Amino acid sequence: QVQLVESGGGVVQPGRSLRLSCVASGFTFSSNAMHWVRQAPGKGLEWVAVLWFDGRNKYYADSVRGRFTISRDNSENTLYLQMNSLRIEDTAVYYCARDYCPSTCGGDYWGQGTLVTVSS
Amino acid sequence: QSALTQPASVSGSPGQSITISCTGTTSDVGGYNYVSWYQQYPGKAPKLMIYNVSLRPSGVSNRFSGSKSGNTASLTISGLQVEDEADYYCSSYTSSNTQVFGGGTKLTVL
Repeated sequence: QVQLVESGGGVVQPGRSLRLSCVASGFTFSSNAMHWVRQAPGKGLEWVAVLWFDGRNKYYADSVRGRFTISRDNSENTLYLQMNSLRIEDTAVYYCARDYCPSTCGGDYWGQGTLVTVSS
Repeated sequence: QSALTQPASVSGSPGQSITISCTGTTSDVGGYNYVSWYQQYPGKAPKLMIYNVSLRPSGVSNRFSGSKSGNTASLTISGLQVEDEADYYCSSYTSSNTQVFGGGTKLTVL
């Protein structure tokens, strides 16, 4: 069965960096695009970034472009999100989600999320 | 990258049918058949209920159905049950190869 397990969240000061990881199992990781989606406390879902199956094509939300970097290691079945220059408004639960396509179609399986709190 | 437009809340009684709308533009909902719908309970991860506008993943009840007309997609839940009370989000592929979500709809089963 498909499993996605995020880690790396925590409390960080504004302007600092954090790297999230998502370990995948139960499917051929290198065949699917992967997403990061976040949800601020009490708010709706916000798409953050997608990385296509081969790691060559990556796209970002305007709110994080230039600060966040999505990457993957297909040999380790792991998706990453490097978050730099963090802001208060980046506080959220961050989910990784598998796309049902090799490129961008939509997420089908989701992890349980990891909480990132940006606070001084 | 403007969010898709959903009603903030809808409600219905057990056994009734409700429909949640999701309005976008020709650059997302209206231009592609990659509309998905998600159900989310408080404190839980979203669950895919509908993909490619109207397809149901294995294990999802056939009480859930999706459709699209122009720039507006819709999720219909028939035979409403108490356990359907949750937040529902639509999402769509966009012309920029990104994804965009709706603001979410809180379904209350009275």
